[in-house]
Amino acid sequence: QSALTQPRSVSGSPGQSVTISCTGTSSDVGGYNYVSWYQHNPAKSPKLIIYDVIKRPSGVPDRFAGSKSGNTASLTISGLQADDEADYFCCSYAGTHNFVIFGGGTKLTVL
Amino acid sequence: EVQLVESGGGLVQPGGSLRVSCEASGFTFSSYIMSWVRQPPGKGLEWVSSLSGSGGDIYYADDVKGRFTISRDNSKNTLFLQMNSLRAGDTALYYCAKDYLLAFDAWGQGTMVTVSS
Repeated sequence: QSALTQPRSVSGSPGQSVTISCTGTSSDVGGYNYVSWYQHNPAKSPKLIIYDVIKRPSGVPDRFAGSKSGNTASLTISGLQADDEADYFCCSYAGTHNFVIFGGGTKLTVL
Repeated sequence: EVQLVESGGGLVQPGGSLRVSCEASGFTFSSYIMSWVRQPPGKGLEWVSSLSGSGGDIYYADDVKGRFTISRDNSKNTLFLQMNSLRAGDTALYYCAKDYLLAFDAWGQGTMVTVSS
């Protein structure tokens, strides 16, 4: 059960946009529309920011957008702000055997 | 307000056992799948196990299958994870998480489990 593949780090300046990819297989990301994304700051609990590939929970700004093409899901953060700096994890449903699988995480640095 | 409070973590020797708990409030506990997700020091999130609201559907990561047992007491709004045959690789911060459409929309603060001699 290998983790979904994410870049280890991305960076951008305030106001810019960044995109984080999350690559899996047809057994997880590509097979279901149950991809979620989490923002994780050190010493805090993870926060759900995207579910069902593209949906945002109440309170999450529309600067955060999810998408998917084939076996790769993506999180785009536009209008970068300093407090967006965090680790971001993707997660996908993977069927009744493996249930869910996380990505390795991407550290976002706001320059 | 949804709250999840984990407890029971600590230091245990390799081969030992530990049970961690998660007390839930602010939602109808028995209606939701609940899960354990862990984060080893300096590493990413790893799904460990999930349990349906009724307790009838149970899922484990391959790495813990046969060693860990997830359970719940819906009368006490509490989720458990019994961990046996612990290994150094099980050292992690263990989070309890509430399901929402196969995502995790609420997390506890975590309880640290350290496996070391």
